[in-house]
Amino acid sequence: GEDVEQSLFLSVREGDSSVINCTYTDSSSTYLYWYKQEPGAGLQLLTYIFSNMDMKQDQRLTVLLNKKDKHLSLRIADTQTGDSAIYFCAESIGSSYKLIFGSGTRLLVRP
Amino acid sequence: DVKVTQSSRYLVKRTGEKVFLECVQDMDHENMFWYRQDPGLGLRLIYFSYDVKMKEKGDIPEGYSVSREKKERFSLILESASTNQTSMYLCASSSPKQGLGEKLFFGSGTQLSVL
Repeated sequence: GEDVEQSLFLSVREGDSSVINCTYTDSSSTYLYWYKQEPGAGLQLLTYIFSNMDMKQDQRLTVLLNKKDKHLSLRIADTQTGDSAIYFCAESIGSSYKLIFGSGTRLLVRP
Repeated sequence: DVKVTQSSRYLVKRTGEKVFLECVQDMDHENMFWYRQDPGLGLRLIYFSYDVKMKEKGDIPEGYSVSREKKERFSLILESASTNQTSMYLCASSSPKQGLGEKLFFGSGTQLSVL
């Protein structure tokens, strides 16, 4: 079955790196996504990775994909207080319209 | 700037009322979605539509219906609201032409409380 799991909470100091982890079960995932939700707002796409890639870097964001272990991570370098939000991992499967979302990881950045 | 607009930010309704949640997108997207978001459960898909007048059930359609009479508008209907439908409702849209799987654009959400 389809399932995406994330830890619920992460707390880091400002300036440190944050690593948010996600595991998924469906090996036929085509794209994997990271969405960010700030308080009182909808979700915004942060970055994505195609399933045949291992890594993608986009400024302070690094996405790592381990297909063997079905593990996805998002690293935020030099974490800022503005990065405090809920981060959702999601996968799309084949040509389906549907995205499967994890439960979200709440990132708290302490000054 | 692309936009998905949900008509209400907060709604308070009574048990048994019929509730309409409206969503409009200005990106000419074919696909539109309704999710509900509950703490610890993430986002769960209620219904989606891939064309005008077309709809498909998501994972939790019970107690909900939808309407898509125009491409830009997708409505979620709670025929008889119940307290377990208290939740944050998120509308999203996407287009298969953007070639990025399902890159979803979300509205800011409607927090519905059913008393």
